[in-house]
Amino acid sequence: AQSVTQLDSQVPVFEEAPVELRCNYSSSVSVYLFWYVQYPNQGLQLLLKYLSGSTLVESINGFEAEFNKSQTSFHLRKPSVHISDTAEYFCAVSDQGDYKLSFGAGTTVTVRA
Amino acid sequence: DTAVSQTPKYLVTQMGNDKSIKCEQNLGHDTMYWYKQDSKKFLKIMFSYNNKELIINETVPNRFSPKSPDKAHLNLHINSLELGDSAVYFCASSEGPQSANEQFFGPGTRLTVL
Repeated sequence: AQSVTQLDSQVPVFEEAPVELRCNYSSSVSVYLFWYVQYPNQGLQLLLKYLSGSTLVESINGFEAEFNKSQTSFHLRKPSVHISDTAEYFCAVSDQGDYKLSFGAGTTVTVRA
Repeated sequence: DTAVSQTPKYLVTQMGNDKSIKCEQNLGHDTMYWYKQDSKKFLKIMFSYNNKELIINETVPNRFSPKSPDKAHLNLHINSLELGDSAVYFCASSEGPQSANEQFFGPGTRLTVL
């Protein structure tokens, strides 16, 4: 089973500034990688995922993440955040062919004006 | 229409009681899940059903018993509640059991055991 480390538990950031959330996972042959977002008092929603192909994946609201196999990382970035990006962000990993996702402990992003 | 719904939203109860949480999805998905999110927001899979068949059963006390009467419903019954059961419980669903599928989460049930 995979283990996932989100290196930053809290990230305060000013509006329109860039943000990077770090995610590392334990090594495996082939993995699927996900970022989920949890807005206050809501369930999780898929932000983006990497299954195969291009190592750079993007979401519709300006986030992107890059799969780096050699560093076993899947960091999430956004060049300019909005107040509405305030949320909890979870990185998740699974072995290809597995049924289970392993979630990281989450990173709280607080965007201030 | 809510895709994945859970009832109740909040549940406050005494130690030793038995309680149930219900989940329904109207997405036509084959697979449903129960997750537990603790006070530090750590999210852990508990159970998963595919077409009413149990496919994931993590190391969970046997006081927790899931039941799937049909593909659209997955309920969680908890016997003899303990203080440590206090958490937010999320139901989720996906088209199929493969981990590549997007999971759709319900709004959560916040369980407080006094």
